[in-house]
Amino acid sequence: AQSVTQLDSQVPVFEEAPVELRCNYSSSVSVYLFWYVQYPNQGLQLLLKYLSGSTLVKGINGFEAEFNKSQTSFHLRKPSVHISDTAEYFCAVSDQTGANNLFFGTGTRLTVIP
Amino acid sequence: KAGVTQTPRYLIKTRGQQVTLSCSPISGHRSVSWYQQTPGQGLQFLFEYFSETQRNKGNFPGRFSGRQFSNSRSEMNVSTLELGDSALYLCASSRGQGLYNEQFFGPGTRLTVL
Repeated sequence: AQSVTQLDSQVPVFEEAPVELRCNYSSSVSVYLFWYVQYPNQGLQLLLKYLSGSTLVKGINGFEAEFNKSQTSFHLRKPSVHISDTAEYFCAVSDQTGANNLFFGTGTRLTVIP
Repeated sequence: KAGVTQTPRYLIKTRGQQVTLSCSPISGHRSVSWYQQTPGQGLQFLFEYFSETQRNKGNFPGRFSGRQFSNSRSEMNVSTLELGDSALYLCASSRGQGLYNEQFFGPGTRLTVL
């Protein structure tokens, strides 16, 4: 089975400052990795995903993440945040069996301070 | 292109009742997955349907069930509701199985059990 740990439940950051949201995973098999964002009263939106290939993945809204297999991490970064980035961010993992079930972390609440 | 729709958006039930939630996937998508989101347990996978067959199931009691129709619309049913079933229920659709097919999430149905 897989599991995901998001080390920070809340991250406050000033507008235009950089941010890193941390994600570590545990799995005995090869995995796919994802970051989703959830705005208030909305469903989840995919920010980016790592399936294979380059370990640096670029996503929407200026976000990127780097897959580090040796450290079993998939941290999310953005060089300059905006007020509109205030939301809940979820890291998720799935095995490569072809199933669509995702294992999610507990989420990180990003608050951008003007 | 219309997104994933879920009905109803909000629902209030009392303990012991049963409830049916509906999910209409994006046109052309054949896979539908259901997730439960609660403050305590976070996001947990319930089950996945593909071509009217349940392909995967999460670790939930038998009170939680679902089905998929020939037009790919899906319903989930919870019988004998308990207070702990209060949650946001999210549906996600994808074109096919396997996470090379991106999952698109609906806005969710918020179920409150009194």
